Amino acid sequence: EVQLVESGGGVVEPGRSLRLSCAASGFTFDDYAMHWVRQAPGKGLEWVSGISWDSRSTAYGDFVKGRFTISRDNAKTSLYLEMSSLRPEDTAFYYCAKAEMVASTFFDHWGQGALVTVSS
Amino acid sequence: QSVLTQPPSMSAAPGQRVTISCSGSNSNIGRNYVSWYQQVPGRAPKLLIYDKNKRPSGIPDRFSGSKSGTSATLDITGLLTGDEAEYYCETWDISLGAVVFGEGTKLTVL
Repeated sequence: EVQLVESGGGVVEPGRSLRLSCAASGFTFDDYAMHWVRQAPGKGLEWVSGISWDSRSTAYGDFVKGRFTISRDNAKTSLYLEMSSLRPEDTAFYYCAKAEMVASTFFDHWGQGALVTVSS
Repeated sequence: QSVLTQPPSMSAAPGQRVTISCSGSNSNIGRNYVSWYQQVPGRAPKLLIYDKNKRPSGIPDRFSGSKSGTSATLDITGLLTGDEAEYYCETWDISLGAVVFGEGTKLTVL
């Protein structure tokens, strides 16, 4: 059974940094691309970033503007999202999701989400 | 504001059929497959439709998707109260170089 478990969420002050992790199991991790999708409370889904199986290709939503970095460790079957210069509008549930590719793809499994609250 | 437009809400009675639309452009729906997701409050989204109307294991054939030009639709037949949820369309936008989601349609099964 595919399992994606996010961790690292919490309350952080504006301008600070936070690192999210996603532990994957139940599938061959390094055969798939991985993504982060976020959802502000009561709002819709917003794609954050994606990374190819070999980390050679990454892509980011326009709003990231160099503040976030996606990475993965295939040996640890884990996905990461390093977020810096956080803003109140970054407050959201952050989901990791499994995909075939970085581009032109779909998300067949999702984690339960990690809540990030940016507030002073 | 999303590049994919969905109706904010729809409603129908149990047993009926509903069609949820997703309108885009030649840089997204016109060039790529559209996926559909169901999200029940408090839960993660679940994939319903991908590629050319394919369904993951466990998704009943009451759910089907289609695309014409720059628009896509999700059809749900034989509505159940358990189908009450938010539904999102998704695809890749080649101009933005990004995954894009519709703003979601809240389906109420009366």
